[in-house]
Amino acid sequence: GENVEQHPSTLSVQEGDSAVIKCTYSDSASNYFPWYKQELGKRPQLIIDIRSNVGEKKDQRIAVTLNKTAKHFSLHITETQPEDSAVYFCAALGTSGSARQLTFGSGTQLTVLP
Amino acid sequence: NAGVTQTPKFQVLKTGQSMTLQCAQDMNHEYMSWYRQDPGMGLRLIHYSVGAGITDQGEVPNGYNVSRSTTEDFPLRLLSAAPSQTSVYFCASSYSKTVNTEAFFGQGTRLTVV
Repeated sequence: GENVEQHPSTLSVQEGDSAVIKCTYSDSASNYFPWYKQELGKRPQLIIDIRSNVGEKKDQRIAVTLNKTAKHFSLHITETQPEDSAVYFCAALGTSGSARQLTFGSGTQLTVLP
Repeated sequence: NAGVTQTPKFQVLKTGQSMTLQCAQDMNHEYMSWYRQDPGMGLRLIHYSVGAGITDQGEVPNGYNVSRSTTEDFPLRLLSAAPSQTSVYFCASSYSKTVNTEAFFGQGTRLTVV
């Protein structure tokens, strides 16, 4: 099955700086890569996703890049703000059983320091 | 617009007790799933369903049962609770069984087994 590794596990940045979180995946058939943000005590929520037919996608201060050859994808947050502090999860859609399954990375705790 | 609703939010069980975590969605989604979230391990898939009457195992299915008698409901049963099942449980649904669309999560159930 799919295996997703995420780094770093914790990340502290100064407000206004950029943050980068990296993930690698193992299943070359995976073609959908979402990122979820989870604030303390809340449910995970989708912030951006990318499909394998594109290399980069942007949404305001958030961007995701995908390198299919190397099987890695990254989340970039620019001009970080205190409200960006949360746990971020990457995921990859692999194939197993009768349907496809999302496999999540272990998460990155991002802290934006004022 | 309720989305995905989980009950209860908190539960304490004694070892050996059984219980059912409830999950309901009102978005007519085909795909529903259960994850458990443990510190440093991300979200791990327990069971999933691609439609009424169809269920399959995820990464960590042992000790859990599911059924899907309707499109809306996907309960998770713990037959004989063990301390290793102490975790936060999330139910999620997606529009398509191919899962390459946003997963909507419930608010989570924090389960403690003593």
